[in-house]
This record gives sequence, structure tokens and C-alpha cells, in this order.
Amino acid sequence: DGGITQSPKYLFRKEGQNVTLSCEQNLNHDAMYWYRQDPGQGLRLIYYSQIVNDFQKGDIAEGYSVSREKKESFPLTVTSAQKNPTAFYLCASRQGMPDTQYFGPGTRLTVL
Amino acid sequence: AQSVTQLDSQVPVFEEAPVELRCNYSSSVSVYLFWYVQYPNQGLQLLLKYLSGSTLVESINGFEAEFNKSQTSFHLRKPSVHISDTAEYFCAVTPNAGGTSYGKLTFGQGTILTVHP
Repeated sequence: DGGITQSPKYLFRKEGQNVTLSCEQNLNHDAMYWYRQDPGQGLRLIYYSQIVNDFQKGDIAEGYSVSREKKESFPLTVTSAQKNPTAFYLCASRQGMPDTQYFGPGTRLTVL
Repeated sequence: AQSVTQLDSQVPVFEEAPVELRCNYSSSVSVYLFWYVQYPNQGLQLLLKYLSGSTLVESINGFEAEFNKSQTSFHLRKPSVHISDTAEYFCAVTPNAGGTSYGKLTFGQGTILTVHP
């Protein structure tokens, strides 16, 4: 069954700790994306990757880092430099244009 | 660059009533348009999309949206809603040609649709 998996669904961390969110896809899609969702603000793009070993900053990349060593994986690290990390994080992937972005189920990060 | 404005943050409606969720966009280039739906604590699911051709697009569950280029709008409508339609709806656009925004979606702020019995 093809799709995008994100783990864990809920994540709690203490302030000042780095945390890595997992995103895996078996759709054989080239492009992958990370979004942050806050109430009333829609989705904002953090980072995206069009191909393996290449990625670009989105609109709110400060305090985040990514890697794309494999086509199917695009992990996001929320660093201690992110001022307000508590949010719902969504991963997506896309193959070709025009085409749809498909979303994972999301990870809700709470920093205490 | 693109921007998307969803004109209503919340829309309450009674079951079996019609509903319209409004979306306006701004872009200096031609765009593709999308509506996504999000149920609580879940990811986004594609509801419908406009790429080209007929300006009226439909989903399998009774929603439709009409692309109006002159008014830069892509409003979502359903003639009769169900309790199960309660969710948050997002309008999004992406340029349909190359450039720095190619392949990137710009989202509106979302509209929470609540269907009451």
C-alpha cells in the first residue's frame, strides 16, 4: 500500500533539545516537502527537495535543518534555535508537474 | 510570488444546506489551483484541482469549484452538506511554469466548515 508515513504521531521534547521528525514515502516521488501548520495560519513551507542530495529553504527555514540522502526519506530536525517549535508538522511528496502533493498524517510536536 | 486569501475563517451551516467557501488568489503568472480537506489531527487530502480546460471541476463526494480568471477566484461549493463534511478546507496555488516558485504550493489560511444537525 503506497503512501507517506510520519513518525511519531505525537512528540514531546524539553526546551533546548534538538528533535528529528521522520518522513518516509514509497510512492517513488522525486520531490518532498516539509510544512508547519499553526492554527489560523494555513501551511507554511519549511524546506523542500526536488531530487536526492539537494534541498532548498522554504519561507520559514530558520531553526530547522533537513537531509535527503535517499529518495524515500526526508527527515526534518527542529533545532534549539527555533524560537517557537510547538506546531503540527506535515510532510508531502510530489512526482512531476502538473501533479498533486500527497501528504502524510503529520507529527504534532510539543516543546515543554 | 503568489498569495491566497480564504475570506472566511469559519463557516457554520446546517445539514443539507448549501455552502460556499471562498478563495481568492494573487499571482503574476498563471497558476494551478487546488482544494485540500483536513480532518482533525490528520494530514491533508486532495479534494479537487484545476489544471486546464473546463473551469468547473468536481470531486467524487459532491463538491465543485469554479476557476474565475478575471476575478482570480476559485470558490468551493456543495449544494447539500452532510455532518461528515465537517473539516478544515485549504485553498492552494502553484505556478504552472518554471521559476523560483515552481513546484511549491502557497496555501490560504484555511476555512473551518462545521455542519450542524
